[in-house]
Amino acid sequence: GNSVTQMEGPVTLSEEAFLTINCTYTATGYPSLFWYVQYPGEGLQLLLKATKADDKGSNKGFEATYRKETTSFHLEKGSVQVSDSAVYFCALRGVLTGGGNKLTFGTGTQLKVEL
Amino acid sequence: EPEVTQTPSHQVTQMGQEVILRCVPISNHLYFYWYRQILGQKVEFLVSFYNNEISEKSEIFDDQFSVERPDGSNFTLKIRSTKLEDSAMYFCASSEVQGLGRNTEAFFGQGTRLTVV
Repeated sequence: GNSVTQMEGPVTLSEEAFLTINCTYTATGYPSLFWYVQYPGEGLQLLLKATKADDKGSNKGFEATYRKETTSFHLEKGSVQVSDSAVYFCALRGVLTGGGNKLTFGTGTQLKVEL
Repeated sequence: EPEVTQTPSHQVTQMGQEVILRCVPISNHLYFYWYRQILGQKVEFLVSFYNNEISEKSEIFDDQFSVERPDGSNFTLKIRSTKLEDSAMYFCASSEVQGLGRNTEAFFGQGTRLTVV
């Protein structure tokens, strides 16, 4: 079955530091890949996505590249801010005929950014 | 911007009681989902619903769970006899069908925190 493995947290960084959160996946076919973010006390929000190999998703300074050869979708940001403190979830959606399919999530990585 | 809304935001119930969690998906979406997140753990898929029937469910979604779309706008999750281990954040999501073989983006609600005491 499908699975997602992401680096364990918490990750603590100073403001303006470089961020990498690793994510690797196991899936058949060509899944779509997502990063969701959960700010304290809030629900899940889609941060970025990529639907095919070598696609780069980007949003709010975050980016991730769909690497089929390494089955990875690592999240990066060049300069984090205190407001980026949240839990980040890597997820995949498999391909089925008929559209619509469940998401398989990683365990989440908590990011804390300090001044 | 359209969004998925969930009510209530927080529900406290006694063990053994029935609870109904409510969701209003985005209006033109046709696939609906429930996920849950036990505190400190990963988000887990419970069930997906399409065309007025369950299209997929996980092992977690046993006989004490049920889903319904009672009136064309709401999508509910019922837990018949709650257990302590049902305490979690429950997320509703919806997605728009885009045709055969294509993937869709799921939009999540803010979640309902269920506390069973």
